[in-house]
Amino acid sequence: NAGVMQNPRHLVRRRGQEARLRCSPMKGHSHVYWYRQLPEEGLKFMVYLQKENIIDESGMPKERFSAEFPKEGPSILRIQQVVRGDSAAYFCASSLLGGQDEQYFGPGTRLTVT
Amino acid sequence: AQSVTQLDSHVSVSEGTPVLLRCNYSSSYSPSLFWYVQHPNKGLQLLLKYTSAATLVKGINGFEAEFKKSETSFHLTKPSAHMSDAAEYFCVVSDLDTGRRALTFGSGTRLQVQP
Repeated sequence: NAGVMQNPRHLVRRRGQEARLRCSPMKGHSHVYWYRQLPEEGLKFMVYLQKENIIDESGMPKERFSAEFPKEGPSILRIQQVVRGDSAAYFCASSLLGGQDEQYFGPGTRLTVT
Repeated sequence: AQSVTQLDSHVSVSEGTPVLLRCNYSSSYSPSLFWYVQHPNKGLQLLLKYTSAATLVKGINGFEAEFKKSETSFHLTKPSAHMSDAAEYFCVVSDLDTGRRALTFGSGTRLQVQP
């Protein structure tokens, strides 16, 4: 059973470009979470999605960031008009159920904005 | 609101000696608590979790943690450190009572293991 897959693993964007980060949850998991880790810090929650629905986006910046989890295909975290402060590691996690169910993390995407 | 405080940002031990990584939490009546480990440039791996069953929780690689409600603590221990234990460790809380599914992470403790 493959784990949570994220791609690309490393992404370099110039300021003003768009970044698209993909996450394929574990097989059978329908709950996806996105977290951001700034250098030397812990992970911060961004958004929680179930298939075709955003359940909790309380951690998402109000502008430039969006997320989706379509009926078919991976979850996408999209950052428009990237700025240097967006440079971070972005982790996706998935769980079989919501609530207290264990979250399994992907290897992360390291975004560098030049 | 729930929160997690990891009391040490860095811990250094010698190989073969005990490991203690300290964590205090603030949460509602029924938190779930986790310890995750992150090796350099890698994703996070779950070490162990507490979900209101036994207060002493055994995890992978010889780690264990004890939930102490009176002290609001969930310290991580290992009797004998191995070089491969060198990594960043995160204490994490999830609070079902608030209805949020998101995990709240501590700021991390970097464990160094000296030969």
